[in-house]
Amino acid sequence: DAGVIQSPRHEVTEMGQEVTLRCKPISGHNSLFWYRQTMMRGLELLIYFNNNVPIDDSGMPEDRFSAKMPNASFSTLKIQPSEPRDSAVYFCASSYFDSDYGYTFGSGTRLTVV
Amino acid sequence: GQSLEQPSEVTAVEGAIVQINCTYQTSGFYGLSWYQQHDGGAPTFLSYNALDGLEETGRFSSFLSRSDSYGYLLLQELQMKDSASYFCAAPGSRGRRALTFGSGTRLQVQP
Repeated sequence: DAGVIQSPRHEVTEMGQEVTLRCKPISGHNSLFWYRQTMMRGLELLIYFNNNVPIDDSGMPEDRFSAKMPNASFSTLKIQPSEPRDSAVYFCASSYFDSDYGYTFGSGTRLTVV
Repeated sequence: GQSLEQPSEVTAVEGAIVQINCTYQTSGFYGLSWYQQHDGGAPTFLSYNALDGLEETGRFSSFLSRSDSYGYLLLQELQMKDSASYFCAAPGSRGRRALTFGSGTRLQVQP
């Protein structure tokens, strides 16, 4: 398996622009997680899905953030409009629902908003 | 609420043994996990303890004491490539499958 695939790897955008981050989980994994990592706040869970259904989005910082999982093999995280404080590394991770908490993380998207 | 506390930095020399501690406070407890992250890389899963005691995987071992709300990761025969950040993680108030991560311990292995 190719692992969890995220795109793009790097994104530089101007404040106010829309940003869409993409994730393809490992085939067969039925849980998907979006995390954000910054020096100040560490790894924060934004939202997670089980069987394509959003379970908890309480970590989404503002209404500017939205996430979808239209099918088992694809998820997006959208920021509209983007702000400089959104600059971070965004990770997608997937796992089996009944696993021993072994997430597989993607390589991440480094987002810079200028 | 939920919190996991771990030291921010640890330094050790090649070939030595190092222990990274983690204390946690969670509303419910379903086990403690450990992840490794090299600079510029993604976190990778190392181990999971659901029950008290020691779990060994090669040079790495992880220990859990639920009564003390405490766990540690033990790294033996340290190698330069072990220089990385190490995170403890546990699920809690956001569901059994949603991990909250500690702030991470940066391990520097010196020659």
